[in-house]
Amino acid sequence: GAVVSQHPSWVICKSGTSVKIECRSLDFQATTMFWYRQFPKQSLMLMATSNEGSKATYEQGVEKDKFLINHASLTLSTLTVTSAHPEDSSFYICSAMRQVSYNEQFFGPGTRLTVL
Amino acid sequence: DQQVKQNSPSLSVQEGRISILNCDYTNSMFDYFLWYKKYPAEGPTFLISISSIKDKNEDGRFTVFLNKSAKHLSLHIVPSQPGDSAVYFCAASASGGTSYGKLTFGQGTILTVHP
Repeated sequence: GAVVSQHPSWVICKSGTSVKIECRSLDFQATTMFWYRQFPKQSLMLMATSNEGSKATYEQGVEKDKFLINHASLTLSTLTVTSAHPEDSSFYICSAMRQVSYNEQFFGPGTRLTVL
Repeated sequence: DQQVKQNSPSLSVQEGRISILNCDYTNSMFDYFLWYKKYPAEGPTFLISISSIKDKNEDGRFTVFLNKSAKHLSLHIVPSQPGDSAVYFCAASASGGTSYGKLTFGQGTILTVHP
């Protein structure tokens, strides 16, 4: 299968700082990338859909000014958590679609964010 | 509002036996369903999918059944192997228009296959 990486794999930051998480498709160009958030023992919740060269589409209830998404190229999308607070602590995971096919959606390993 | 539910947090099965993982959904717009397997510190990996126009899809040891009237799907693994031990997520999507690719996940079921 195709490989999607995330960096960093874990990060600890102080409240009020901003944190950037990268999602890269290593061996394919992704038409679309998605960002999910997972709380402990809960399901992955879709936050936003990211298409290269256009603005991200956010799901209802997700603050776009809080979670900035930039999709600079067909292999890179970034999620920036601005002015992070302890309630933003979570597991953030991205996925990338190699083609317009559900079976061609590949997930990254996730980033654990802890805000102190 | 949990639109996709996996009511069993965990399942324990003996090697060689059948594992049955269940999933229920509430949104009638969902027309494509997928199962993912997840190991710790890794992202979910795609296992098998089914479109709403079918009621069964088979791939090797894995079979997914869809009961649209009951809004229920299940994943059967036969025979179960210790390497199948992982968290299994059910996911659903309404494939039309701008929703294509967007997945709604269940909470996951931890499968443990004992040797």
